[in-house]
Amino acid sequence: GQQLNQSPQSMFIQEGEDVSMNCTSSSIFNTWLWYKQDPGEGPVLLIALYKAGELTSNGRLTAQFGITRKDSFLNISASIPSDVGIYFCAGPNSGGSNYKLTFGKGTLLTVNP
Amino acid sequence: ETGVTQTPRHLVMGMTNKKSLKCEQHLGHNAMYWYKQSAKKPLELMFVYNFKEQTENNSVPSRFSPECPNSSHLFLHLHTLQPEDSALYLCASSQDTGLNQRKLFFGSGTQLSVL
Repeated sequence: GQQLNQSPQSMFIQEGEDVSMNCTSSSIFNTWLWYKQDPGEGPVLLIALYKAGELTSNGRLTAQFGITRKDSFLNISASIPSDVGIYFCAGPNSGGSNYKLTFGKGTLLTVNP
Repeated sequence: ETGVTQTPRHLVMGMTNKKSLKCEQHLGHNAMYWYKQSAKKPLELMFVYNFKEQTENNSVPSRFSPECPNSSHLFLHLHTLQPEDSALYLCASSQDTGLNQRKLFFGSGTQLSVL
């Protein structure tokens, strides 16, 4: 099946620093999703991307849909302690009218105050 | 209440026990899902229900038995589990299983430990 590779697996940064993470696939995706999971909670959708080359922001978060449609990037500017959590990329496999989401393994972000 | 609510938040059970996980969504969605989250692994889709009908069983062992009595409620019945079944079990919902599945709303999960 399709796999999504996220890197890095984990990051330790200082408060105020910018963060970049990415997600790659061996196959083309028509949608890229970025979710964040806070400790002890379920994932929450941050950003959805629908077009190759699209750049979308949500506050301090910016995500891009790669031109090749095989990758996506998430940037966080001026990190704060509440940015701590696991960031997942996801994309839908399509099988007729029934879509299933494939998730990456996640990037664990730790922010030191 | 709003969103997707899961109970219990934590569950410890022996291998011979029978227990059930409950999920309720207050979003008016028609599709509900069970996912398994294990450490250092991607989220694994287990079951999908659309308008109360099961549309996906992702080769899940029969010791996991889902039940969807209506579009707002989803259960996962557990019996004779194995220690490797210990994980966070997440319930999710979406408007339907088409393109709207791209926007999943997750509950907080049940952290299950099998002894």
